[in-house]
Amino acid sequence: QKEVEQNSGPLSVPEGAIASLNCTYSDRGSQSFFWYRQYSGKSPELIMSIYSNGDKEDGRFTAQLNKASQYVSLLIRDSQPSDSATYLCAVNGAGGFKTIFGAGTRLFVKA
Amino acid sequence: GAVVSQHPSWVICKSGTSVKIECRSLDFQATTMFWYRQFPKQSLMLMATSNEGSKATYEQGVEKDKFLINHASLTLSTLTVTSAHPEDSSFYICSARDSGGGSYEQYFGPGTRLTVT
Repeated sequence: QKEVEQNSGPLSVPEGAIASLNCTYSDRGSQSFFWYRQYSGKSPELIMSIYSNGDKEDGRFTAQLNKASQYVSLLIRDSQPSDSATYLCAVNGAGGFKTIFGAGTRLFVKA
Repeated sequence: GAVVSQHPSWVICKSGTSVKIECRSLDFQATTMFWYRQFPKQSLMLMATSNEGSKATYEQGVEKDKFLINHASLTLSTLTVTSAHPEDSSFYICSARDSGGGSYEQYFGPGTRLTVT
């Protein structure tokens, strides 16, 4: 079992819709969770951090964390073609030091 | 804030030569920096963790004598690809953690695209 799992996609949504990206992790003691966006040919960019159960909203982005289910998600409201990218889920394990990245989910937002 | 730079952004070198890539945290101090490699359409692969003032920790399968890492200050880490070969052609990306930030967020540099001919 991979430590951080994401559906590779591609996930295709129409412009203006909600895109829902999901991630599961194996280390039950994980404490810190991140979402990064990576455009083709570019390096990853941090878009959200979440540390406690529940929802965290930042503009059109909402991160959701459920530690009991070992599940973290990212919702993108009012999706725009410029949101088309690969979204990487990252998790810090119980020891805190090492960040494990998922393989990423490719998102296409159709105009 | 939290800006990380890399230099050069791209480099072409001949097989057998060495290439040095610099990673700098511009507005924060970074005790820990990370080096990743990414092949086209593949996921990030962590190569090594660079700690200021100490030896880097390499991931399994990464040759430490081929990929030399130096983290001489709190704002600079370098990766040297020694005796580069065409199979080393890749996108090399560094990231850094803010030592004073108290979090585990990583900030990535823009990456260096290496082509070995």
